[in-house]
Amino acid sequence: QITLKESGPPLVKPTQTLTLTCSFSGFSLNTSGAGVGWIRQPPGKALQWLGFIYWDDDKFYSPSLKNRLTITKDTSKNQVVLIMTNMDPVDTATYYCAHRNFDAFDFWGQGTMVTVSS
Amino acid sequence: DIQMTQSPSSLSASVGDRVTIVCRASHGISSWLAWYQQKPGKAPKSLIYDATSLQSGVPSRFSGSGGGTYFTLTISSLQPEDFATYYCQQYKSYPHSFGQGTKLEIK
Repeated sequence: QITLKESGPPLVKPTQTLTLTCSFSGFSLNTSGAGVGWIRQPPGKALQWLGFIYWDDDKFYSPSLKNRLTITKDTSKNQVVLIMTNMDPVDTATYYCAHRNFDAFDFWGQGTMVTVSS
Repeated sequence: DIQMTQSPSSLSASVGDRVTIVCRASHGISSWLAWYQQKPGKAPKSLIYDATSLQSGVPSRFSGSGGGTYFTLTISSLQPEDFATYYCQQYKSYPHSFGQGTKLEIK
């Protein structure tokens, strides 16, 4: 049974750095083919793909956010971390992590709401 | 970037109806397309991957078709629990973009 859960601060100030952790079980990022992605959803809006990290540490980011995003993994802890710098109110959203299935996603975390406000 | 466009943006239907949602890609994506269902306040749920393959546990009333730039999601007989927002996603090239969503409402 694959499960994922996001955690992090619910509130960050403009210009601050956001760090979110995706803790997962039921698979290993040491296994060939495994991957975890990050997706966000502003209130009332559509899903936005943010980035992906693979078992071999290959990473891909949304071009519009590439300069602000870093995704890392800690296979010993079964965690993936998303770091987003220079947060702005437009970054207010629910952030999801999800398990790779043929580069789509089959299992999703419950999401964590992040508000950017002073 | 590949743009994904869904139509309609919203749709009203009744229990028992057959409904089809369309997703168009700005460039050919072969069969690298997924469909998700999202209910208010919940995470998306995977329905279909590789354009036509049903995710494990998804009812057979859901089906996907298409290829290249044109794809459809069909629900053969709407059930009360199917009223939700549906998203398509391409994973042919990065960024793996989503459509803007189709909200399926009760008539």
